[in-house]
Amino acid sequence: GENVGLHLPTLSVQEGDNSIINCAYSNSASDYFIWYKQESGKGPQFIIDIRSNMDKRQGQRVTVLLNKTVKHLSLQIAATQPGDSAVYFCAENSGGSNYKLTFGKGTLLTVNP
Amino acid sequence: DADVTQTPRNRITKTGKRIMLECSQTKGHDRMYWYRQDPGLGLRLIYYSFDVKDINKGEISDGYSVSRQAQAKFSLSLESAIPNQTALYFCATSGHRTDTQYFGPGTRLTVL
Repeated sequence: GENVGLHLPTLSVQEGDNSIINCAYSNSASDYFIWYKQESGKGPQFIIDIRSNMDKRQGQRVTVLLNKTVKHLSLQIAATQPGDSAVYFCAENSGGSNYKLTFGKGTLLTVNP
Repeated sequence: DADVTQTPRNRITKTGKRIMLECSQTKGHDRMYWYRQDPGLGLRLIYYSFDVKDINKGEISDGYSVSRQAQAKFSLSLESAIPNQTALYFCATSGHRTDTQYFGPGTRLTVL
């Protein structure tokens, strides 16, 4: 989930297990959400997105779930691999036409071989 | 993403020096953004531009300025660098009427 301090939440999983990373958002007017992956020394990489008129969207090995009632977003990674080790963070568009994103602080995923 | 490039990738400078970070993109996107990332914090928006003649302040624009030289180029300047501007800086782009932003590889700036 989100972190208000200097230390990122961490999730450690075994290779082959499924991973679930959570994100809480605050703006009920947000209508678009993105998950990014950031590997050490690299820029954030787009993984998957979802609009507020959906509650689930699937990609390759990844699924994003959106629960608007509790303003919660999750990223599920199936059969987690060592290459999935990275910081994952969500972003939300606060609605309207400003096309600006607000980013969460991220969760560090470590995959143990 | 190779479509968005940033130079330099690393820079060490001294307090009071003027620094320019450059961003170029080949995605043909109208919108460009500059963010700052600090350890344990989310990305914070410094400036953004929706086209060549449009410049807007983000949430932390103090101490920074930008120039949109062309659709493909957006540079960030620190007029007089200070140590608390030590951070990772990312450029991002997005297309017209889309929300998805694509990021460059980042510039690691250290101000001594």
